[in-house]
Amino acid sequence: GAGVSQSPSNKVTEKGKDVELRCDPISGHTALYWYRQSLGQGLEFLIYFQGNSAPDKSGLPSDRFSAERTGGSVSTLTIQRTQQEDSAVYLCASSSGQGRQYGYTFGSGTRLTVV
Amino acid sequence: AQKITQTQPGMFVQEKEAVTLDCTYDTSDPSYGLFWYKQPSSGEMIFLIYQGSYDQQNATEGRYSLNFQKARKSANLVISASQLGDSAMYFCAMREGGGGGTSYGKLTFGQGTILTVHP
Repeated sequence: GAGVSQSPSNKVTEKGKDVELRCDPISGHTALYWYRQSLGQGLEFLIYFQGNSAPDKSGLPSDRFSAERTGGSVSTLTIQRTQQEDSAVYLCASSSGQGRQYGYTFGSGTRLTVV
Repeated sequence: AQKITQTQPGMFVQEKEAVTLDCTYDTSDPSYGLFWYKQPSSGEMIFLIYQGSYDQQNATEGRYSLNFQKARKSANLVISASQLGDSAMYFCAMREGGGGGTSYGKLTFGQGTILTVHP
């Protein structure tokens, strides 16, 4: 696609439920990143994929968070047993690895609200 | 320790004036890249400017320039001739290991500075 697509754009869920957030990167971009942004805060790194493998998952805050990427394309971030502190905007970015300064294209994010 | 520090939670500037947004960073890696992003109220992340650690000259992109002081580990963004549309949150970010040409790896972001441009 022309840009990084994230779905859903908004998600309201009850505490304790599982949620899945989807990211569809720019076609051909081998690197994919997930970030979390709490209200009025900076972006917090969660996980980085290169192809289907995740060389850096150091930012996942707990074992309730997991992510996978299949076919070197679409990625899903899953949050199990959601808590209110999980409420945030989840941003996905992808990179081709070409052109060092223009490496990252961000999606519009999924706003997650846990009630 | 914070890897990226933005000490100005909010800044105000008059339209058509210049403004400097501060950013200091901390890394022991000799190869790194520094980025500035703009995030308007719509939430999208807009890339503004990049500086590689080995770049000899300060980066410029239109009205944006980066005042890179390597010894002080600072990478301040200068916006000249501010416009009302510049009102947004601005983030400084760093990629370690990326200043030499590769462009993979996570970005570490600062907490951001909210810029408000007054008419």
